[in-house]
Amino acid sequence: NAGVTQTPKFQVLKTGQSMTLQCAQDMNHNSMYWYRQDPGMGLRLIYYSASEGTTDKGEVPNGYNVSRLNKREFSLRLESAAPSQTSVYFCASSVGRGDLYEQYFGPGTRLTVT
Amino acid sequence: KNQVEQSPQSLIILEGKNCTLQCNYTVSPFSNLRWYKQDTGRGPVSLTIMTFSENTKSNGRYTATLDADTKQSSLHITASQLSDSASYICVVSAIGGSQGNLIFGKGTKLSVKP
Repeated sequence: NAGVTQTPKFQVLKTGQSMTLQCAQDMNHNSMYWYRQDPGMGLRLIYYSASEGTTDKGEVPNGYNVSRLNKREFSLRLESAAPSQTSVYFCASSVGRGDLYEQYFGPGTRLTVT
Repeated sequence: KNQVEQSPQSLIILEGKNCTLQCNYTVSPFSNLRWYKQDTGRGPVSLTIMTFSENTKSNGRYTATLDADTKQSSLHITASQLSDSASYICVVSAIGGSQGNLIFGKGTKLSVKP
């Protein structure tokens, strides 16, 4: 099992460019998440998907779109990148019922927007 | 406002020594509290999940305690090893919150020196 995989590992964009961050999990989990992590701050939720075909906004969704392509894959798109989106992005998936779900994180994508 | 505060921000200890990390939260109504370990350049990994009724939970050399009355938790690391060098993140979930509703602390960065 590879767990949660993310591509690319690193990316540099110019302001206004677009890109899609890819995430896949092979654990048959229903729920998937996208977080960003900035220095001096806790992880903040961008979007999550409780099941295939559904997506919901998190704390910081502005400037992002997501697609739950199938049960395995959950992508995050930046349509017009801004320097404020420079961050480390983590994808996660989870298993469990109610509030006691166990999260598994990917290795992260380090994005720099110049 | 739901918040999770961790202390200290950073900590340096010698290999073999014990240490305790603190977490205070104002999340209500409380469901569960998690501790994650995040190695540099990697995604967080779950160490423990504790519910309201659990006071203590161990995972190898890691022991988490929870006092739901005072809304405090601690993570005690025994006989530290160099591989314990990482950030430790306290995360709290509210009852009935959406699956995306985890409140992350900013983390305590632990450095274990030989």
